[in-house]
Amino acid sequence: GNSVTQMEGPVTLSEEAFLTINCTYTATGYPSLFWYVQYPGEGLQLLLKATKADDKGSNKGFEATYRKETTSFHLEKGSVQVSDSAVYFCALDSGNTGKLIFGQGTTLQVKP
Amino acid sequence: GAGVSQSPSNKVTEKGKDVELRCDPISGHTALYWYRQSLGQGLEFLIYFQGNSAPDKSGLPSDRFSAERTGGSVSTLTIQRTQQEDSAVYLCASSYGTGSYEQYFGPGTRLTVT
Repeated sequence: GNSVTQMEGPVTLSEEAFLTINCTYTATGYPSLFWYVQYPGEGLQLLLKATKADDKGSNKGFEATYRKETTSFHLEKGSVQVSDSAVYFCALDSGNTGKLIFGQGTTLQVKP
Repeated sequence: GAGVSQSPSNKVTEKGKDVELRCDPISGHTALYWYRQSLGQGLEFLIYFQGNSAPDKSGLPSDRFSAERTGGSVSTLTIQRTQQEDSAVYLCASSYGTGSYEQYFGPGTRLTVT
């Protein structure tokens, strides 16, 4: 079946450090891939997405590239800020229905 | 404009009771999704609606769970004879359509079964 695997957290970084959160997936066909973020006390919100191989999604300094050959969609940011502290979820939609399959989530804590 | 709203925000119920959770999607959004977020299972899909129809109910954990949507708007998730393992945050999301459209999530209903 379809699944998403994320690196386990928590991830603790100092401000301005480089961030990578790994995400790999298993799916039939050509899924769309997403990163959602949940800031403390807030609801889930879309961070970025990519709908086909080699697409790069980007938003708020974050980016992720859809790599079909490695079935990966790793999230990166060059310089994190304290305000990036949140839980990040990788997700896929394999049937183009919007039914999202989520990874377990990775907690990021950025210290000043 | 208004986002997705859910009610109640918190619900504490005794084991064996029935509960109803409500979701008001963003106006004009035809697709509506229910998910469950729990410590042990992470974020799980439950069911989605396109209009008033539910093409995929595959995530509903048991026949104690049901959902409906009326008028292409409000949706209700009903859990009968609640069990302690039903304790979780129930999230609703809506989107302009199915597929890779952005889903807008509500704040969730935290259900505690004692």
